[in-house]
Amino acid sequence: DTGVSQDPRHKITKRGQNVTFRCDPISEHNRLYWYRQTLGQGPEFLTYFQNEAQLEKSRLLSDRFSAERPKGSFSTLEIQRTEQGDSAMYLCASTKRGSSYNEQFFGPGTRLTVL
Amino acid sequence: AQRVTQPEKLLSVFKGAPVELKCNYSYSGSPELFWYVQYSRQRLQLLLRHISRESIKGFTADLNKGETSFHLKKPFAQEEDSAMYYCALSGESGANSKLTFGKGITLSVRP
Repeated sequence: DTGVSQDPRHKITKRGQNVTFRCDPISEHNRLYWYRQTLGQGPEFLTYFQNEAQLEKSRLLSDRFSAERPKGSFSTLEIQRTEQGDSAMYLCASTKRGSSYNEQFFGPGTRLTVL
Repeated sequence: AQRVTQPEKLLSVFKGAPVELKCNYSYSGSPELFWYVQYSRQRLQLLLRHISRESIKGFTADLNKGETSFHLKKPFAQEEDSAMYYCALSGESGANSKLTFGKGITLSVRP
């Protein structure tokens, strides 16, 4: 499967714990996005990278959230001191800058449950 | 600020009936508009984009800049069209390409 992959698919944690998610984009894609989706809502933009540079962060991304993309390949999203409000589906997407259209390819998501 | 509005949460139709999923947007500029679809137990995937003006699986969508709308239409619904549909917007090509999504609508096609 050469699509976007995410790991883990599900994560259950206790409030106050730290969690880290991983996203592996399609290999030739240089742009990588993180979105969060809660029940009954569409995905909401969190942050995006072009290669290894983090170019934009949403105000949704509090200081408990940090994302990295070392070497411009896979990316990690860490949430420190998780809160119940962090429970959501975290989606990763990738695309290739310079393509004729902005089609983002999505991963299956990581479902986070904070107890 | 960019915003996408999908006014309905659910549309239920019989097989063979026409379908129109509504989408309105707010953006100061020339946006790119998309429809994404999520079938049961599958990941979110692109259905169509306004810039290509194509028909995918019998669906079409026309960008109406005057009404700031991008409604998705299909003349004859099929059971396999049952899914969650999201309208999405991004800035001009080459600019920040983050997607802003609507809340989505569930399309249920009954036999």
